Amino acid sequence: DAKTTQPPSMDCAEGRAANLPCNHSTISGNEYVYWYRQIHSQGPQYIIHGLKNNETNEMASLIITEDRKSSTLILPHATLRDTAVYYCIVRVARETSGSRLTFGEGTQLTVNP
Amino acid sequence: NAGVMQNPRHLVRRRGQEARLRCSPMKGHSHVYWYRQLPEEGLKFMVYLQKENIIDESGMPKERFSAEFPKEGPSILRIQQVVRGDSAAYFCASSSLPGQGTFGSGTRLTVV
Repeated sequence: DAKTTQPPSMDCAEGRAANLPCNHSTISGNEYVYWYRQIHSQGPQYIIHGLKNNETNEMASLIITEDRKSSTLILPHATLRDTAVYYCIVRVARETSGSRLTFGEGTQLTVNP
Repeated sequence: NAGVMQNPRHLVRRRGQEARLRCSPMKGHSHVYWYRQLPEEGLKFMVYLQKENIIDESGMPKERFSAEFPKEGPSILRIQQVVRGDSAAYFCASSSLPGQGTFGSGTRLTVV
């Protein structure tokens, strides 16, 4: 699985958009970009994933650059409960068998009132 | 539709004792993954199981650790003769399809 690079920490004001970047310059054509987050002392929570098109769900939006070497997770209206460590993970999504997640250091997002 | 259930939430063991951690996957999920998170560190993959089979145990320590996922019942992560360095949060995830694994709340093991 390709390695990812994320800033160690970011701050965001409550109610504003949080934009979390991720670099994955060695991504392969069959690798997806996944985002998870871990709120303190809880298990990781799946947020969103994508291959090359931008994706949006009820939690967030994922913007992937055209060359797929980087992406940005957008939380449109951050709340205090979004304070967490956010992990960007690149991996192959195998249809017929499971595969593990390789967590890096992630970005500690702190949403301030 | 209960999520991934892990128990116990907190486990205290003395050095040399055995620790047994349980993970009940979501209904219909046949893939189970175990991860360990040492204090102030990220999550590290340990083992991936499907029913009755270990698929990938490349992250498991060579000694004292074992995992199973029987045909009936929860997946078990077993740590024999625990040492202080085993103190960590152990998370289980399950999935029916790869990549969208749902994690449990974890078991926090403290070795005293």
